[in-house]
Amino acid sequence: DAGVIQSPRHEVTEMGQEVTLRCKPISGHNSLFWYRQTMMRGLELLIYFNNNVPIDDSGMPEDRFSAKMPNASFSTLKIQPSEPRDSAVYFCASSVSVGFGHNEQFFGPGTRLTVL
Amino acid sequence: KQEVTQIPAALSVPEGENLVLNCSFTDSAIYNLQWFRQDPGKGLTSLLLIQSSQREQTSGRLNASLDKSSGRSTLYIAASQPGDSATYLCAVLDTGRRALTFGSGTRLQVQP
Repeated sequence: DAGVIQSPRHEVTEMGQEVTLRCKPISGHNSLFWYRQTMMRGLELLIYFNNNVPIDDSGMPEDRFSAKMPNASFSTLKIQPSEPRDSAVYFCASSVSVGFGHNEQFFGPGTRLTVL
Repeated sequence: KQEVTQIPAALSVPEGENLVLNCSFTDSAIYNLQWFRQDPGKGLTSLLLIQSSQREQTSGRLNASLDKSSGRSTLYIAASQPGDSATYLCAVLDTGRRALTFGSGTRLQVQP
């Protein structure tokens, strides 16, 4: 199994530009999570999907952030317009949901975003 | 709101030493607890998952325990090696929010 796949691995952009991060979860996993990691705030959940439906987006910082999951094998996180404070490592993770919980979450390698 | 605390924040030990990393959480209504390892500039690697009904899990030289009532978990690493040097993160899955809440991690350095 290839694990969770994220692209790009690194992204450098200028303030005001649109940024799109991509994720392919592990085949057979029905829950997908987007996390953000910064030195100041550590790892924080942004949004998660269950069976392609957004369940909890309370961690999305503001309207500039949006996420979609058009099918079970693909998700995007978009930032428009980007700002320097969005610079962070963005991780995608997937798991199999069981009842009201989830089994082990597996993380992708992350996308390191730098907004100048 | 769930809060996860890890102590110590950093630890340096000589090779071969046994060590314990601590994790505490404020809300005991959890579904499971997961320990991760993160190497510098890399993603997270899952080490152990403990369901709320379990007391401990073992994988090789790693043993994780869970005391849900007191809101504590420990990760025990036996016979540490330089290759164990990394940041270790503890995360709990709330029954309510259904998403992981992470601690800030313990940065481990094992000296050869």
